[in-house]
Amino acid sequence: QVTLKESGPGMLQPSKTLSLTCSFSGFSLSTSGMVVSWIRQPSGKSLEWLAAIDWDGDKYYNPSLKSRLTVSKDTSNTQVFLKITSVDTADTATYYCARSRDHGGFAYWGQGTLVTVSS
Amino acid sequence: DVQMTQSPSNLAASPGESVSINCKASKSISKYLAWYQQKPGKANKLLIYSGSTLQSGTPSRFSGSGSGTDFTLTIRNLEPEDFGLYYCQQHNEYPFTFGSGTKLEIK
Repeated sequence: QVTLKESGPGMLQPSKTLSLTCSFSGFSLSTSGMVVSWIRQPSGKSLEWLAAIDWDGDKYYNPSLKSRLTVSKDTSNTQVFLKITSVDTADTATYYCARSRDHGGFAYWGQGTLVTVSS
Repeated sequence: DVQMTQSPSNLAASPGESVSINCKASKSISKYLAWYQQKPGKANKLLIYSGSTLQSGTPSRFSGSGSGTDFTLTIRNLEPEDFGLYYCQQHNEYPFTFGSGTKLEIK
């Protein structure tokens, strides 16, 4: 059974660095074709893909945010991390991690973690 | 980036009816278009990928068609549990991009 779960700080102040963790089970990120992505959704708005890391360690970023994003994974391939620097109120959103494989869609999603940026 | 234009934004229909949701890409994405259903308190659900391939567990009343730039999600014989938000997403190239969403409501 594939599960993903996001965790984050809940709330943080503008200009700080947001650190998010995606903990997953039921698959190995070292398996060929596996990809874990980060996606966010401000309240009442659409989904925005942020970044991804694949089974080979290759990383992909949304160019609109690339300078602020860092995606990584742990050596045991059971967690993926996302850091967003210099956050502001526009980064307030529910953040999801999701798994895709090969050239497919996001078949598995976490429930999301709400992050509020406020002073 | 590939821009995804989804229409309509809102749709009202009755159980038993059929509806269609459209998604247009700003350039060709081959067949690589996915459709998702979003409901409060539930994980987002992949319905269809690669334009027309039903994800395991997706009821057969859902179908997807299209290639290149124009795609359609059709839901036949609507069930009460089908009402919610639907999004398209291109999975042809990074950065992946989503449509703006369609809210399917009960008439």
